[in-house]
Amino acid sequence: SQQGEEDPQALSIQEGENATMNCSYKTSINNLQWYRQNSGRGLVHLILIRSNEREKHSGRLRVTLDTSKKSSSLLITASRAADTASYFCATGRGGSQGNLIFGKGTKLSVKP
Amino acid sequence: GAGVSQTPSNKVTEKGKYVELRCDPISGHTALYWYRQSLGQGPEFLIYFQGTGAADDSGLPNDRFFAVRPEGSVSTLKIQRTERGDSAVYLCASSRSTGYKNEQFFGPGTRLTVL
Repeated sequence: SQQGEEDPQALSIQEGENATMNCSYKTSINNLQWYRQNSGRGLVHLILIRSNEREKHSGRLRVTLDTSKKSSSLLITASRAADTASYFCATGRGGSQGNLIFGKGTKLSVKP
Repeated sequence: GAGVSQTPSNKVTEKGKYVELRCDPISGHTALYWYRQSLGQGPEFLIYFQGTGAADDSGLPNDRFFAVRPEGSVSTLKIQRTERGDSAVYLCASSRSTGYKNEQFFGPGTRLTVL
């Protein structure tokens, strides 16, 4: 079963613009992670935010987490054509429950 | 160092056949995960190992699916009597351990097509 729901399903922007993707989830979590996937193959880990954190930055990425609303957002600033990919949020319950529960993803297209 | 590798990268088989998909995790990673991703969907959890033992196999869809990790490193996902609905990309991931940090490193996947 899938936990997260990303929104929007697809996003098309121009190079240099910011891209914002949202994720909602249903159950309590230990952490939330964002992954990028190119061409329907391997996923690349982008950033992890723990349930007791509200915001985290990594380069051009900014992630927020609101556990009261069970939602997270991923902001990519100054987007580049190379950012074109699908982006997934995944929730982890931590402890002995190691598996991640992924959403359906947002397909981002950055036009040069 | 080398990342997670999976073989084969593509596998085409006929309905009813048996297939094995292999995963080589990052050296030293004790946790290994299998996911399945259908077109347009996010990855869905199948099974994960901590060391040699299956810590959680609740995602395996039925008893045609089985996975092993006999020496705590390489893992093989085995599918018996394949069905067309098994067609998907099978992803393997590994992490240093389970626990709250749980950053998982994914392989490129095996695209399975059942005709």
